[in-house]
Amino acid sequence: NAGVMQNPRHLVRRRGQEARLRCSPMKGHSHVYWYRQLPEEGLKFMVYLQKENIIDESGMPKERFSAEFPKEGPSILRIQQVVRGDSAAYFCASSPLAEVDYGYTFGSGTRLTVV
Amino acid sequence: AQTVTQSQPEMSVQEAETVTLSCTYDTSESDYYLFWYKQPPSRQMILVIRQEAYKQQNATENRFSVNFQKAAKSFSLKISDSQLGDAAMYFCAKTGANNLFFGTGTRLTVIP
Repeated sequence: NAGVMQNPRHLVRRRGQEARLRCSPMKGHSHVYWYRQLPEEGLKFMVYLQKENIIDESGMPKERFSAEFPKEGPSILRIQQVVRGDSAAYFCASSPLAEVDYGYTFGSGTRLTVV
Repeated sequence: AQTVTQSQPEMSVQEAETVTLSCTYDTSESDYYLFWYKQPPSRQMILVIRQEAYKQQNATENRFSVNFQKAAKSFSLKISDSQLGDAAMYFCAKTGANNLFFGTGTRLTVIP
């Protein structure tokens, strides 16, 4: 079991470009969560998805950010027209059930740097 | 609003000694779960220990144990016989509706 796979591990984008972050959940996990970690801070929830559905996007900025989890393939977090404030580590987590009671399995994160 | 507070940005401990990391939280729920995660320099988030709020017994995982005080909304982590590999950021977290609320973390240094 390869665990939760995120790529790329590091991503550098110029201001105004698009960033696409990918997350492949653990085998058998159909629930995916995205979190953002700003420097020297804890993780902040962004969005919760199941296959082909966004369940909770209450933590997602209203503009420029979008997420999907298609029937086939990884979950994608997309940031359009990146700005310096988007620089952060973005973590994906997955779980086999809807409940978060057992915690998640996290990926190693993607560090986005906007220059 | 649900908040998780870690009031110790940094802590240090001598190798083989014991250290306690503090965490408090705010909630109106009676049933929830609490976690401690470890984040080493590799950035991987590793689940250390989990506590169910309806259980009075404190969770224990080898050298890691918690002191859960539900009325005080306190959830501290005790690391016994500290090892060099314990050096990391430690985050306290609490379940929300569909997500976890995290504290800002405590950086633990282990002194040889």
